[in-house]
Amino acid sequence: LAKTTQPISMDSYEGQEVNITCSHNNIATNDYITWYQQFPSQGPRFIIQGYKTKVTNEVASLFIPADRKSSTLSLPRVSLSDTAVYYCLVVPWGGSGNTGKLIFGQGTTLQVKP
Amino acid sequence: NAGVTQTPKFQVLKTGQSMTLQCAQDMNHEYMSWYRQDPGMGLRLIHYSVGAGITDQGEVPNGYNVSRSTTEDFPLRLLSAAPSQTSVYFCASRETDGNGKKLFFGSGTQLSVL
Repeated sequence: LAKTTQPISMDSYEGQEVNITCSHNNIATNDYITWYQQFPSQGPRFIIQGYKTKVTNEVASLFIPADRKSSTLSLPRVSLSDTAVYYCLVVPWGGSGNTGKLIFGQGTTLQVKP
Repeated sequence: NAGVTQTPKFQVLKTGQSMTLQCAQDMNHEYMSWYRQDPGMGLRLIHYSVGAGITDQGEVPNGYNVSRSTTEDFPLRLLSAAPSQTSVYFCASRETDGNGKKLFFGSGTQLSVL
């Protein structure tokens, strides 16, 4: 199981682009990378997933280098409402790797200031 | 679809009491899991299930029992509550094929053990 490491906290200002990097050095060939957002008193919400290179949706972009040992979640032009905890989660997938033991890291608390 | 539904939202127990936290999903997901989240901390996996009749332990299984008799329901039982089990509990589900890399979370049960 790939262990993930993220910065504990980050600060930003409204309108800036925020990049949160997650390290997953022992990622396996069949593993996918997913990211979640969690507001206080709510369950985490899926943001984006990827396997390699770059993925973009209406909320964020995900950059994954060729060695896949890290990934970067990019939030364009953040607002106060983006203040939340962000988690990356490595998900084993396919063949014998489709296991159920999904272990979250400690997450990154993003504080967006006016 | 209601998604993942957890009941109750809040519960106060006395040490030694037992109770069951309910989790139901209407998305026909094979995989379901329970996490606990202590204040200011990340999510820790308690138990998970990859289908009806199949359960396994996560990171912190002690003090908790689960069973999975149907695809829809995955209850979490506390046999003898302890103050150390004061936490917010989240249930999650996902598909095990197709787009199954994405976890869907419930809104949580806040449990206090006095």
